[in-house]
Amino acid sequence: DTGVSQDPRHKITKRGQNVTFRCDPISEHNRLYWYRQTLGQGPEFLTYFQNEAQLEKSRLLSDRFSAERPKGSFSTLEIQRTEQGDSAMYLCASSTGYEQYFGPGTRLTVT
Amino acid sequence: AQKITQTQPGMFVQEKEAVTLDCTYDTSDQSYGLFWYKQPSSGEMIFLIYQGSYDEQNATEGRYSLNFQKARKSANLVISASQLGDSAMYFCAMREGTGNQFYFGTGTSLTVIP
Repeated sequence: DTGVSQDPRHKITKRGQNVTFRCDPISEHNRLYWYRQTLGQGPEFLTYFQNEAQLEKSRLLSDRFSAERPKGSFSTLEIQRTEQGDSAMYLCASSTGYEQYFGPGTRLTVT
Repeated sequence: AQKITQTQPGMFVQEKEAVTLDCTYDTSDQSYGLFWYKQPSSGEMIFLIYQGSYDEQNATEGRYSLNFQKARKSANLVISASQLGDSAMYFCAMREGTGNQFYFGTGTSLTVIP
């Protein structure tokens, strides 16, 4: 069990650019979550996948954000036309039941 | 209204002492789950303990216990025999019913003093 991995760990981009993050969950986990965490706050739910199906999205999620989990394994989160307000830690978690296992996160800085 | 409220931004505890971190929640669902996570300075969220709304006993996991008071809608985390490695941010979270969205509080920063 290698745990949840995320790539890249850090990303610096200029405003207006598109970025894509990858999450590899624990292999037998069918549930996958994306969160955003800003400084001094708890994680904020973005979206949820069960296998390859995206079953839930936060109403706060801008249409510039899109996520996929094409084969029910790894997932990608893309942010188009990044804004400075998108600067945050993006966390991925996976589970089979109620216990979520989190990855180390991708820290995005938009300049 | 906030789903999860953690009113203690920072707490200090002497090593080997017990400490209670407060959490209150807001839901109209009868079925829900409550969680506590630890986030060290390295950033990775670590699951600590879970309490289901229908569980009659308070959950315990090693030195962690959850003081669940349903009528008060509180789910406080008790850490016994604090260790220096317990210094971290602690987040309370809730999942309502059969939903998949988790709601997290703003966290409590715990510092263990030698």
